[in-house]
Amino acid sequence: DVKVTQSSRYLVKRTGEKVFLECVQDMDHENMFWYRQDPGLGLRLIYFSYDVKMKEKGDIPEGYSVSREKKERFSLILESASTNQTSMYLCASGGGRVRYTDTQYFGPGTRLTVL
Amino acid sequence: DAKTTQPNSMESNEEEPVHLPCNHSTISGTDYIHWYRQLPSQGPEYVIHGLTSNVNNRMASLAIAEDRKSSTLILHRATLRDAAVYYCILGRAGGTSYGKLTFGQGTILTVHP
Repeated sequence: DVKVTQSSRYLVKRTGEKVFLECVQDMDHENMFWYRQDPGLGLRLIYFSYDVKMKEKGDIPEGYSVSREKKERFSLILESASTNQTSMYLCASGGGRVRYTDTQYFGPGTRLTVL
Repeated sequence: DAKTTQPNSMESNEEEPVHLPCNHSTISGTDYIHWYRQLPSQGPEYVIHGLTSNVNNRMASLAIAEDRKSSTLILHRATLRDAAVYYCILGRAGGTSYGKLTFGQGTILTVHP
């Protein structure tokens, strides 16, 4: 069965802390994605990666960075967490570089609260 | 990017068919139509996708208008477990799309017992 796992379901951090959100997929997918979901704004793409060590900015990359050292793992980093980064963070993986019709598989999400 | 328009909410009764509409009047020839749904407290999950022809799978059917400016997701017999937010998304094919999807607000489907 397809699996995307995220390191935590709930996380509480303080303003200014460095935060790491980890995502692991077991489907050998080339593409991985990080979204955030906020009420009234829907899901918005933060960053994505189409290969190891490759990354592309999504629609709202400010305040975030990512790391993809291994194919199965994609990390989202908040260098200095702020209260406006309180949100639900969703990781997804899907297919290969040119297989644009491939399904994206989502993890369960991490609800991050920044105090 | 081409956008989609969906009703904010719809209601249905259990075991009745549900037709969820989506308008995408600016769709391009290489855009695929994807449907995802998000159950409460879960990440989105894939439902179905298509390009020009109608599509069926175990979860739902997708009816695509001949001019491709609209589509309809059909749940043949709604169950309480189908209560979710349904997203209609256009996925641009080729180039550096890398399978990116742009989620809109979706349609909140309520299923009554």
